[in-house]
Amino acid sequence: NAGVTQTPKFQVLKTGQSMTLQCAQDMNHEYMSWYRQDPGMGLRLIHYSVGAGITDQGEVPNGYNVSRSTTEDFPLRLLSAAPSQTSVYFCASIKGGTGELFFGEGSRLTVL
Amino acid sequence: AQRVTQPEKLLSVFKGAPVELKCNYSYSGSPELFWYVQYSRQRLQLLLRHISRESIKGFTADLNKGETSFHLKKPFAQEEDSAMYYCALSKGGATNKLIFGTGTLLAVQP
Repeated sequence: NAGVTQTPKFQVLKTGQSMTLQCAQDMNHEYMSWYRQDPGMGLRLIHYSVGAGITDQGEVPNGYNVSRSTTEDFPLRLLSAAPSQTSVYFCASIKGGTGELFFGEGSRLTVL
Repeated sequence: AQRVTQPEKLLSVFKGAPVELKCNYSYSGSPELFWYVQYSRQRLQLLLRHISRESIKGFTADLNKGETSFHLKKPFAQEEDSAMYYCALSKGGATNKLIFGTGTLLAVQP
């Protein structure tokens, strides 16, 4: 099993550009989440999903959209990138029962 | 508001010394607490959870509801313990909405 796969690993954008961070999991987990990691701020929840077709906002959702058309995929879209969105983004899928989070390797995004 | 506080950004100890990584939380309900760890060039991964009351890699953590703490302890640090440690809180078992602390970087010196 690959677990949680995120692409791309690195990306540089200009202010105003849009892009999609891809996240796929092969563990058949219903729950998935997106976090951003910033120095001195830990991980903050952006959006989460409890199943295909169901998403909700986390702590810092502004500027991001998500969708969950399948159990496997949970893409994160930046609509109009801003320098404040420079961060490392982590996708996680959550094992039912134990609630353990399985993280992707992260995507480092720089917005100029 | 629910919050997790890790007061130390960096904790530096010598190999063989005891380690205590502090974690305090604020939550009025029944929390579930976790420790996640990120070793260099590895993914963030679960270290332990208070419900299981287990010891992983020599680490233990006890939930103290009176002091609202969940400190991570190890009696003898090893160099391979060097990593970033995050304390996390789940509200009522909803781990899809974990609240993380800011993390503590543990550096174990030889």
